[in-house]
Amino acid sequence: DAKTTQPPSMDCAEGRAANLPCNHSTISGNEYVYWYRQIHSQGPQYIIHGLKNNETNEMASLIITEDRKSSTLILPHATLRDTAVYYCIVRTNRDDKIIFGKGTRLHILP
Amino acid sequence: EPEVTQTPSHQVTQMGQEVILRCVPISNHLYFYWYRQILGQKVEFLVSFYNNEISEKSEIFDDQFSVERPDGSNFTLKIRSTKLEDSAMYFCASREGGDSNQPQHFGDGTRLSIL
Repeated sequence: DAKTTQPPSMDCAEGRAANLPCNHSTISGNEYVYWYRQIHSQGPQYIIHGLKNNETNEMASLIITEDRKSSTLILPHATLRDTAVYYCIVRTNRDDKIIFGKGTRLHILP
Repeated sequence: EPEVTQTPSHQVTQMGQEVILRCVPISNHLYFYWYRQILGQKVEFLVSFYNNEISEKSEIFDDQFSVERPDGSNFTLKIRSTKLEDSAMYFCASREGGDSNQPQHFGDGTRLSIL
């Protein structure tokens, strides 16, 4: 089973920042947090990952709390093309497979 | 940007027939995976493959399934005798070697429909 808890759905206005929360209260010290998204009829798309420091790339920012029990994915300026299911995943480097949960269905509203 | 490519995009097969799904992973990647997603359900891990052998497989990956890397570029999933319940999207993924925290990158899948 997935080790994370995410809200089933969220709405965000186009042009605003989308902040997607994830709870991973049982995360262990060697587990990374990964975010993927799945746009309708496409394969999962890697977004970002991190261990304990905040991370930023061209797609998004990942904010991990100091106790590592939760994180937030931030899409700084959401567009309609960001409408997708977003998956928060934790795994260690000893467990190579990805276990997907149900994710958060993000609706970007025009 | 390099990507994982899968063919065909849609495969329709009669129950009991064999089917081969094909994937071309990203060229410098060393680890390969198959996942499936039944309509309306979660993405599920099937198998991981490294150095020409299976690293791990799930309970779904029974004797009807096999994987192969027949040459330096292709990675295939074979289902020997398809069942109705094999209808699903099948996703191939790959990742670089070295640091196992490198992310997996997915293709856009093959939709398999068993009649």
